[in-house]
Amino acid sequence: NAGVTQTPKFRVLKTGQSMTLLCAQDMNHEYMYWYRQDPGMGLRLIHYSVGEGTTAKGEVPDGYNVSRLKKQNFLLGLESAAPSQTSVYFCASSGDRGTETQYFGPGTRLLVL
Amino acid sequence: EDQVTQSPEALRLQEGESSSLNCSYTVSGLRGLFWYRQDPGKGPEFLFTLYSAGEEKEKERLKATLTKKESFLHITAPKPEDSATYLCAYYTGRRALTFGSGTRLQVQP
Repeated sequence: NAGVTQTPKFRVLKTGQSMTLLCAQDMNHEYMYWYRQDPGMGLRLIHYSVGEGTTAKGEVPDGYNVSRLKKQNFLLGLESAAPSQTSVYFCASSGDRGTETQYFGPGTRLLVL
Repeated sequence: EDQVTQSPEALRLQEGESSSLNCSYTVSGLRGLFWYRQDPGKGPEFLFTLYSAGEEKEKERLKATLTKKESFLHITAPKPEDSATYLCAYYTGRRALTFGSGTRLQVQP
């Protein structure tokens, strides 16, 4: 039981490049989330999903897209990376009620030059 | 506007020196107050969920309490391995958890 896994662990992009971050969970959770964490600002919600095939915007969705084609996977895409997207990205999942505990992945550190 | 504020930003303790971390919130319709621990370079790790004022939960040297305006994370006789950033977050039934900016705790031997 691996819990929540994220790939890659670290990536460097040039401004304008695109990439996809992958999150996978093996707990059969309905809810999945993408957060970014920046110094002094805490974790901020980018997008989330309440089930396979559904996505919704969070607090800071601009510049990101997501897809949830399979229940266990949640993809975060950056179509044209900007230096402001340099951050640490965390994926999380929780059960079928929003009050249930969210379990986090180990994070992806992204540097956009 | 719903918000959560953690204090202090950073705290340095000697091993065995008990203290408390504060999480003040102004939230309409609170449905859960969460505490997480985060080690450097890792994802947040769940500690506690509190649902109603007066509720308390304990785990080893940690005890979380909740009032109508704030939550405390009490650390009794801390050890160096308790050093981490402690995050509180609230849930209102909309979207997902909203996190505070955290308290960095350092426990010196």
